[in-house]
Amino acid sequence: DAGVTQSPTHLIKTRGQQVTLRCSPKSGHDTVSWYQQALGQGPQFIFQYYEEEERQRGNFPDRFSGHQFPNYSSELNVNALLLGDSALYLCASSLGLAANTGELFFGEGSRLTVL
Amino acid sequence: AQKVTQAQTEISVVEKEDVTLDCVYETRDTTYYLFWYKQPPSGELVFLIRRNSFDEQNEISGRYSWNFQKSTSSFNFTITASQVVDSAVYFCALSERTGTASKLTFGTGTRLQVTL
Repeated sequence: DAGVTQSPTHLIKTRGQQVTLRCSPKSGHDTVSWYQQALGQGPQFIFQYYEEEERQRGNFPDRFSGHQFPNYSSELNVNALLLGDSALYLCASSLGLAANTGELFFGEGSRLTVL
Repeated sequence: AQKVTQAQTEISVVEKEDVTLDCVYETRDTTYYLFWYKQPPSGELVFLIRRNSFDEQNEISGRYSWNFQKSTSSFNFTITASQVVDSAVYFCALSERTGTASKLTFGTGTRLQVTL
């Protein structure tokens, strides 16, 4: 049973560029959330996708956008990259939206470095 | 707004010692969920436990135990007889009823180093 998979694992971009990160949820899961984890900090919620729609969004600018596909996989796009966007981007999957649906499964993340 | 505080930035213990990781939370909701996650160097967050706000019973799972006290808004995590494999960053997290299981507010984490 495959867990949450993310790609790429590492990437380096320069300021102003755009990046796309990809996530495949755990088998059977239909909800995908994205988190940003800066070095030495806890993960911060970016947004959540369910039924191909953005359901909730954290305190992130519009430069951060996403998409969910019919097979439940998801992409995170960041435009006009800033140095401060350097972080580990974690994808998490779950079944449904309710807070009592159990644990969140995380991938190993995509580490983005912006130079 | 909800908030999670993990005041211990880093803890270092010798193997077989017991260690307690502290977590204090703030929320205005009466129904909420608390979580602990472990993050090894690989980066993946590994789920350890979830408790809802109505269940204040302490829980034990092997060498792990959790103490939930609503009166002090704390959800502390104890590792008994620590092992080198316990070395990781541990995060406490909170989800309110009005939110979803996917929208967690994390603390800043406690780095645990267990040495021989």
